[in-house]
Amino acid sequence: GAVVSQHPSRVICKSGTSVKIECRSLDFQATTMFWYRQFPKQSLMLMATSNEGSKATYEQGVEKDKFLINHASLTLSTLTVTSAHPEDSSFYICSAERENRYEQYFGPGTRLTVT
Amino acid sequence: GQQLNQSPQSMFIQEGEDVSMNCTSSSIFNTWLWYKQDPGEGPVLLIALYKAGELTSNGRLTAQFGITRKDSFLNISASIPSDVGIYFCAGPNRDDKIIFGKGTRLHILP
Repeated sequence: GAVVSQHPSRVICKSGTSVKIECRSLDFQATTMFWYRQFPKQSLMLMATSNEGSKATYEQGVEKDKFLINHASLTLSTLTVTSAHPEDSSFYICSAERENRYEQYFGPGTRLTVT
Repeated sequence: GQQLNQSPQSMFIQEGEDVSMNCTSSSIFNTWLWYKQDPGEGPVLLIALYKAGELTSNGRLTAQFGITRKDSFLNISASIPSDVGIYFCAGPNRDDKIIFGKGTRLHILP
């Protein structure tokens, strides 16, 4: 149990375009999901907390107009990188909380490359 | 702000050896989590610890919640090739958000 999927696993886009990444909890409902960003050989950096039915909470320094988060259902959260630039290239990972608080289950990640 | 310091940063061991790594902080944590990340994948939760002094096993993995609540360690017994990866400790900070250490990279020599 506790399976989280992400789609796509890998995406290449041109500078100035937008990219949507989906995160789904497959076998449980998640009122809270999280979006992380990870640079090569670095740790995970929390970008935002996605709450079902309400606005996302963004971490300091993360532009909410650039990284749009929607948590429309208990099993789906989406992250849209708008007007992408090469510096947005990174590994984006989502996670979802299950019953036990703090125990997050991660998706397999999405590798975004902006050319 | 609160930080989690992991050591060692990387380890090179022979298959079959036991492994020990730790995670420390200057502040108290009430929960310690250990994750493993394979290259190009998301982290996988290995063990969660909720009580000071708690010792929990998951197969060949054993983790302990330090009694001072400022540290935790993870041991792997009889390492095998699939143990290769990055091990992260994590815990909720004062804002109740999960923060991660920088990871310990485990390499197994052929």
